[in-house]
Amino acid sequence: DAGITQSPRHKVTETGTPVTLRCHQTENHRYMYWYRQDPGHGLRLIHYSYGVKDTDKGEVSDGYSVSRSKTEDFLLTLESATSSQTSVYFCAISESGLAPDTQYFGPGTRLTVL
Amino acid sequence: AQSVTQLGSHVSVSEGALVLLRCNYSSSVPPYLFWYVQYPNQGLQLLLKYTTGATLVKGINGFEAEFKKSETSFHLTKPSAHMSDAAEYFCAVSDLLGGKLIFGQGTELSVKP
Repeated sequence: DAGITQSPRHKVTETGTPVTLRCHQTENHRYMYWYRQDPGHGLRLIHYSYGVKDTDKGEVSDGYSVSRSKTEDFLLTLESATSSQTSVYFCAISESGLAPDTQYFGPGTRLTVL
Repeated sequence: AQSVTQLGSHVSVSEGALVLLRCNYSSSVPPYLFWYVQYPNQGLQLLLKYTTGATLVKGINGFEAEFKKSETSFHLTKPSAHMSDAAEYFCAVSDLLGGKLIFGQGTELSVKP
C-alpha cells in the first residue's frame, strides 16, 4: 500500500469555523490531490498540487484553499465551514501527474458540519 | 469535455453469479480508463486500467474490463462473484492534459449468499 495518511479521520465541527485537513505521504510523489466524495457524484477534484508551493484549482474549489510547504504534506483548509461541505475527503498522490499515471488514495476523512 | 457514466447505482448478484458493472465514457480523443474499488470505510484501490494496446484488461481479484471504442464503453466483469466483492466501484477517465481523473457516480455491488 502507498504510504498515505490523513488526519483527522473523523471531525465534527460547526458552521462558520475554520477546518484544516492534513494529507501526509512517504512516497516522495510529486503530485497530490484533494477530492470530495458525495453520494451520486462520485469523487470530485477540489485542488491539486504539482510541487512545493505549486497548486491549482479543480472542479469544486470554491470555499477551499490548499497549501503545500513540503513535498510530503498537503493541507486542505475550509476557511468558514458550511453544511454543504459535509462530505468524505480523500487525498491522492501520483508520481508524475501525467496520464495514465495511477493515483493512490488515502483512507479518507469524514467531515460533518453542523 | 470528458465525462463518465456508470449505469446503475446499485447492482445485486448472487454468490457465484456473473458480475457486470457498466461504464460509458465521453472523450474526443482515445482515453485512458480506470476502475477503482472502495471497500467500506476505506480509500479507493486500483482494480485495473486501460492505456493502449490490448483492449481486454485483466486486474486484481479476478476482475477484467474490455475497452470498446465503437461503443465508448469500458464495462467491468467477473465470472463468479464472491461475498468479499461487495463494495463500491468507480469508473474513471484520465484528463489527457494533466492526468487528473474524472469519476463516474459509482456503483454499489451487493453479493447475496
